[in-house]
Amino acid sequence: GDSVTQMEGPVTLSEEAFLTINCTYTATGYPSLFWYVQYPGEGLQLLLKATKADDKGSNKGFEATYRKETTSFHLEKGSVQVSDSAVYFCAIRDDKIIFGKGTRLHILP
Amino acid sequence: EAGVTQFPSHSVIEKGQTVTLRCDPISGHDNLYWYRRVMGKEIKFLLHFVKESKQDESGMPNNRFLAERTGGTYSTLKVQPAELEDSGVYFCASSSHRGNTEAFFGQGTRLTVV
Repeated sequence: GDSVTQMEGPVTLSEEAFLTINCTYTATGYPSLFWYVQYPGEGLQLLLKATKADDKGSNKGFEATYRKETTSFHLEKGSVQVSDSAVYFCAIRDDKIIFGKGTRLHILP
Repeated sequence: EAGVTQFPSHSVIEKGQTVTLRCDPISGHDNLYWYRRVMGKEIKFLLHFVKESKQDESGMPNNRFLAERTGGTYSTLKVQPAELEDSGVYFCASSSHRGNTEAFFGQGTRLTVV
C-alpha cells in the first residue's frame, strides 16, 4: 500500500541554520503531497502542499518541491527561527491522507 | 468560518471505561476522517465518512471502536471498553471533496487511559 518515509528526529539546530527534512513516498496513483506542522499544544496545520510534479509549495519561508522521478518531497528552510520548533509531518493524499511518523524539530536560540 | 472542532480536548479515563469523542466538521463538508497518533508513532487513518455513510473503515483497530455520523453532520467515536493501548491523540479532519484536495484538521483529543 501507499506509504511515507521521513527522516527520524529529533532534529536540533541553532537559530538561522539551514533546515532539510527528507521525505519520500510510495504510491500506486498520483497523489498530492503535503507538509503538516504541529506546534506545541496545538492541532495539525497545513504548512504547504503540491499537487503535481515539479510544483513547489511554500509558506512561512519553508519550501518543498514535488519530485516525481525520485518520489520525494523534502522540506527546506534557509534560516530557521526558534518559533519553528514543532513536529513536522510529511503526507500524501490520493483519497485518505497517509502520514509519515513525524520529525520533531528543536531550534536553539 | 469555524474550523473543525473536537471535544473534549483532553480525556483521562480508567481502563474498562467508555469514552466518546466528538468532531464537528466545517459546515458543508461531506467528507469526515478520523485519525489517531499513538505516542511517538505515525498518524494513522481510522475511517472515512461521506455524509452519514462509512466509506472506508479499514483503519479501525477492533470492535471496541464505534464511529457514527448520524445526519451527516457531526461525528462521534466511542471506545468501549477502553484499554491502555488506546491512549493517544485522536484527530478529526474534514474536506469538501474526496481525492487530493485539502483536508482541514481539528485540534485533536488527547486520550489517556490509566
